[in-house]
Amino acid sequence: QSALTQPASVSGSPGQSITISCTGTNSDVGGYNYVSWYQQHPGKAPKLMIYEVSHRPSGVSDRFSGSKSGNTASLTISGLQAEDEAYYYCSSYTSSSTVVFGGGTKLTAL
Amino acid sequence: EVQLLESGGGLVQPGGSLRLSCAASGFTFSSYALSWVRQAPGKGLEWISGMSSSGIYIYYADSVEGRFTISRDISKNTLYLQMNSLRVEDTAVYYCAKRHVSVVATFDDWGQGTLVTVSS
Repeated sequence: QSALTQPASVSGSPGQSITISCTGTNSDVGGYNYVSWYQQHPGKAPKLMIYEVSHRPSGVSDRFSGSKSGNTASLTISGLQAEDEAYYYCSSYTSSSTVVFGGGTKLTAL
Repeated sequence: EVQLLESGGGLVQPGGSLRLSCAASGFTFSSYALSWVRQAPGKGLEWISGMSSSGIYIYYADSVEGRFTISRDISKNTLYLQMNSLRVEDTAVYYCAKRHVSVVATFDDWGQGTLVTVSS
């Protein structure tokens, strides 16, 4: 199972919106609505930010939103804040009943 | 409050074995699916194994199939990962992750991780 494809890095200025893409195949992202997004600060454990493509867990800011079209899922962060600077990983359920993660995207708040 | 506490990491030689433990608290252990996810130094996350809430269904990534074994002890609220035939490329922080109660492939709680270093 190959990792999902994410851009290595994205950046934005405070207050701006950014979008991170996550591309898979019909056997994972395109085949199921079980796409999640995780935020990870250096040296910390990942934190769930979005699940089932577009659902936010309790306590996660509504500045974070998710969507999917075909084999590509996207995470959008609006009103970018300094504390959003972190690594972001997408993940998806697969046809083999396993989980595949993306390679990760480093978000820099300029 | 959900807590997942991994232990058992350390330095091991290539070809060696190690058993990781994940002590869980704050939720009904037998009602949740759990997984192991690892992260090599400076690299991304890699899911490696998962066990259903019933304990009946077990899955592995191709990279560890046949070498690693996931198990649990409900009486101790503990998840395990037995790692055999370790390779240098198995060097990583190993996280225990609790699956969402009703959504597959979604991990809503994570431990702090335990570092495994495979080196001669």
